[in-house]
Amino acid sequence: DTAVSQTPKYLVTQMGNDKSIKCEQNLGHDTMYWYKQDSKKFLKIMFSYNNKELIINETVPNRFSPKSPDKAHLNLHINSLELGDSAVYFCASSKNTEAFFGQGTRLTVV
Amino acid sequence: AQSVTQPDIHITVSEGASLELRCNYSYGATPYLFWYVQSPGQGLQLLLKYFSGDTLVQGIKGFEAEFKRSQSSFNLRKPSVHWSDAAEYFCAVATNNNDMRFGAGTRLTVKP
Repeated sequence: DTAVSQTPKYLVTQMGNDKSIKCEQNLGHDTMYWYKQDSKKFLKIMFSYNNKELIINETVPNRFSPKSPDKAHLNLHINSLELGDSAVYFCASSKNTEAFFGQGTRLTVV
Repeated sequence: AQSVTQPDIHITVSEGASLELRCNYSYGATPYLFWYVQSPGQGLQLLLKYFSGDTLVQGIKGFEAEFKRSQSSFNLRKPSVHWSDAAEYFCAVATNNNDMRFGAGTRLTVKP
């Protein structure tokens, strides 16, 4: 029933590890996004995909690699995690520019 | 690229009082404008949007917003605030290629 779902909801990991966050949408939207929300609640766009094609890559370190196996999925893989990567990561999808958000993944790097 | 400014980081209002949250945008063409609300530990929920037409738009939960092109503003209003409205509010602007950017957010506290 959930429109945009992300897993896991919480992720605690050590520095240097590699981790992935998965996102799926069942809305039939063509566009999907990853946003990072820092501790001050600022929402920054990281990537957007349209029909599996990368549209926006907002100067994110190349340790972050999005992958879109089909237009309903947009996963985020992060290599060599750093303390500064701790944040809440939101996946979203949109049609006609209106975005629908997942519940977020709280990533804590220790 | 487009940008959004929310001048007020934190606003406190009494329950039952009126509310206005400010939003200014910068974009060369006609923008698509949105207000989202985020409750603690939750994702973002769309309150309302402006694409074209009537510059006063109505949203959910009794919110409305007015687009003023001359002032590059899209302020959010509610005539009478309820305690459950306490949350973080984000204004956003999008282009027609689905590039959506957010303001820094305004945290609303409601006093009993």
